[in-house]
Amino acid sequence: DADVTQTPRNRITKTGKRIMLECSQTKGHDRMYWYRQDPGLGLRLIYYSFDVKDINKGEISDGYSVSRQAQAKFSLSLESAIPNQTALYFCATSADSINQPQHFGDGTRLSIL
Amino acid sequence: DQQVKQNSPSLSVQEGRISILNCDYTNSMFDYFLWYKKYPAEGPTFLISISSIKDKNEDGRFTVFLNKSAKHLSLHIVPSQPGDSAVYFCAASTGAGSYQLTFGKGTKLSVIP
Repeated sequence: DADVTQTPRNRITKTGKRIMLECSQTKGHDRMYWYRQDPGLGLRLIYYSFDVKDINKGEISDGYSVSRQAQAKFSLSLESAIPNQTALYFCATSADSINQPQHFGDGTRLSIL
Repeated sequence: DQQVKQNSPSLSVQEGRISILNCDYTNSMFDYFLWYKKYPAEGPTFLISISSIKDKNEDGRFTVFLNKSAKHLSLHIVPSQPGDSAVYFCAASTGAGSYQLTFGKGTKLSVIP
């Protein structure tokens, strides 16, 4: 089983719909992150959380919200989806100590028509 | 402005030869650098990292070199194998911990049998 699991893996939806992407992890890590990747670009940070009571905006948080329901679960919501939010979304986790790498899920491909 | 740059979108190398992937950065506050490998339809996989207090780190066939004065790092893969064919991302972070990674756009490596 994957250590970082994202659901759904693929989603097609319409403009204006509310969408939730879910991430769960079995690594026991406190830190969790949401990134998006657009074609030909690197990953950009949307939100991150260092524990259940901690939520922080990343580089591109506008139009998104997150919820950290438990140490193992971190969900990303698009309140009213728009076509330029079409992208590949990745969840990641890392241990809570200095210079620890982030470990990624396999991504959710989201298309907004 | 891109703070982490991978100027070669693609690289082709013969099996058994050395692959050298390059990365430049502009933010002098970056102190932890990582390389990730990504196969299609999978999330990025952590490969190797280096702290700014070192200039070299090795892990099997993979070696990362850091030249702080030039703000340049490189990943060497020796010998290259067909299974190394993937997109390689360089990433960097500031301060303690690996949160808020800044990614380059990636370099697609093709290892030709």
